[in-house]
Parts: sequence; C-alpha cells; structure tokens
Amino acid sequence: DTGVSQDPRHKITKRGQNVTFRCDPISEHNRLYWYRQTLGQGPEFLTYFQNEAQLEKSRLLSDRFSAERPKGSFSTLEIQRTEQGDSAMYLCASGSAGTGGRWVTGELFFGEGSRLTVL
Amino acid sequence: AQKVTQAQTEISVVEKEDVTLDCVYETRDTTYYLFWYKQPPSGELVFLIRRNSFDEQNEISGRYSWNFQKSTSSFNFTITASQVVDSAVYFCALNSQDSSYKLIFGSGTRLLVRP
Repeated sequence: DTGVSQDPRHKITKRGQNVTFRCDPISEHNRLYWYRQTLGQGPEFLTYFQNEAQLEKSRLLSDRFSAERPKGSFSTLEIQRTEQGDSAMYLCASGSAGTGGRWVTGELFFGEGSRLTVL
Repeated sequence: AQKVTQAQTEISVVEKEDVTLDCVYETRDTTYYLFWYKQPPSGELVFLIRRNSFDEQNEISGRYSWNFQKSTSSFNFTITASQVVDSAVYFCALNSQDSSYKLIFGSGTRLLVRP
C-alpha cells in the first residue's frame, strides 16, 4: 500500500494519560499536515511540516500537543495529559510542494485517521 | 480570513434522484483553489476535484458535475442519478498561497441515499 498510513487507528485512554499517533506519508511527499476532526465538523488544521521543518501551528495546538517529523519522513503527534475535549479523529495528509510552497500534486492525500477517545 | 460554508447539514434522497450540494466560500485572495472531498463511513477523505480560481468552466465526470460561479463565490456539486454508494459526508474546501496551501474545510453535508 503506497498511501498515507496512520497508527493506531483507534485509541482509548484515560484522562491524564499521554498518547502518540504516527503518520507515514507517501514517500516522495515533502509536505505533511495534521488535522483534527470532531463529530459533525470538518477537519481543522493543526500543524504542517515541509520536510523536517514545522512551519506553522494552529492556535488549536495547545502546549500539551507536540508534533515532530524527524528526517522529514514519518511524523508523530503526541498529546500529553489528555482531556476529554481531545476526543476526536486525528487526520494526517501529505502532498508535494514546489517552489514558494505551491502544491505540485494538486491535492492532499489523507490517511484513514486515528480516532482518540478519552474517558 | 478564509471561510467555507456548507449550509446543508444533511440531505436525504431516494436512489436515482439528482442532488446538489451547496458550497459558498470567502477569500480575499485572487488566486485560490477549491476542492471537494468525500468521506465514507471508513473515515478516509477521498479527493474528488480541484478547481483553480481562474478556471470557471463547469466540469463533468460521470455522474458528478461541478458548477463554479465566482460572481456568487459558490462551488456547487451535483450528483446525477444518485446511488446508495454515494452515501457519505461531502466536504468543500479552499486553499491559497496566503494560507500556506493548507485546506480550509466547510462543516460538511451528510448525504443519505435510500434504496
């Protein structure tokens, strides 16, 4: 499978615990985005990487959230001290951006998401 | 600020009916891109179409067609002769250079096609 893969697909945790999600983008893509989707809403942007550099973070990304993309390949999104409000689907997407950031691929390719439930 | 509005929360039709999903957007950019994505129950977002702001030609792909009207800032999506497999949530989205090409999504329209 050469698409975007995310792991785990489902995570149930107790409030206060830390969780980490992993995203493996399409290998030749230099852009990687994280989105959060709550029930009945569209995906909301969290952060994105160009290669290993994290270029933008949304105000939604509180201090408890951290994302990394070491070596510009896979990415991890960690949530510390989870709260019930963190329950959502976390989506990863990748694409290829050229000079000036313009997409080369013309679209973002999304993974199937990691669903987090905080009890 | 950029914004995408999908006023229809949920639409229910009987199979073989035509259905139009509305999308209205706001942006100050002169160059921007509009998208439609489908999200079936499995959760993955499936790309359907991308349109740039300079191309107002309507597009047809099989049973799907898109009507882009810059004058009304709308990018509507029509499914002709709907099928049960079309049941999903459909999202309209927008991006531009000013938004670092990150997608701004609407809240989605849930389409239910009944047999």
